[in-house]
Amino acid sequence: ETGVTQSPTHLIKTRGQQVTLRCSSQSGHNTVSWYQQALGQGPQFIFQYYREEENGRGNFPPRFSGLQFPNYSSELNVNALELDDSALYLCASSAGQTQPQHFGDGTRLSIL
Amino acid sequence: AQSVTQLDSQVPVFEEAPVELRCNYSSSVSVYLFWYVQYPNQGLQLLLKYLSGSTLVKSINGFEAEFNKSQTSFHLRKPSVHISDTAEYFCAVSDAGYSTLTFGKGTMLLVSP
Repeated sequence: ETGVTQSPTHLIKTRGQQVTLRCSSQSGHNTVSWYQQALGQGPQFIFQYYREEENGRGNFPPRFSGLQFPNYSSELNVNALELDDSALYLCASSAGQTQPQHFGDGTRLSIL
Repeated sequence: AQSVTQLDSQVPVFEEAPVELRCNYSSSVSVYLFWYVQYPNQGLQLLLKYLSGSTLVKSINGFEAEFNKSQTSFHLRKPSVHISDTAEYFCAVSDAGYSTLTFGKGTMLLVSP
């Protein structure tokens, strides 16, 4: 079975730009969660999507937004990038809201 | 609100020595507890979990953790570490199954020969 895949693996942007990160969930998984992991920190919950609807959000501003598609893949969009947005962005999928989360290897975003 | 405290940012240890990585949590509701491991340039892998039942949980590669409700702790232990155990270890808590995870800042386990 194919695991969680994220693209791209690395990305460099400048302040003020916009970025889209992508996540393909594991086969059979209908729930996707996104986390931000700053250098030297633990992952922080951004939001979760369940069957294409946002189903919980962490303490992140509205310029962080997302989508989940009918095939349960997902996108994370960040507008007006700031230097502090530099981090590893992790996607995790699960077969339901109370099932184990399986993580991808992340997208490392660097803001110059 | 929940929080997780991992008191040690780094734990150096020699190969074949025992190790304990400490984790304390705070929560106003019943919790589920997890340990994840992160190898360089990789995502997180679930190492072990406590949902209910026996307070001592074990992984297939020799790690174990014990849920202590009175001390609000979930420390990770291994009696004899290997070089390959070198990685970052994260403790996490959830109050609704796996729905939303709150992570600690991580402990880097450094195993040297």
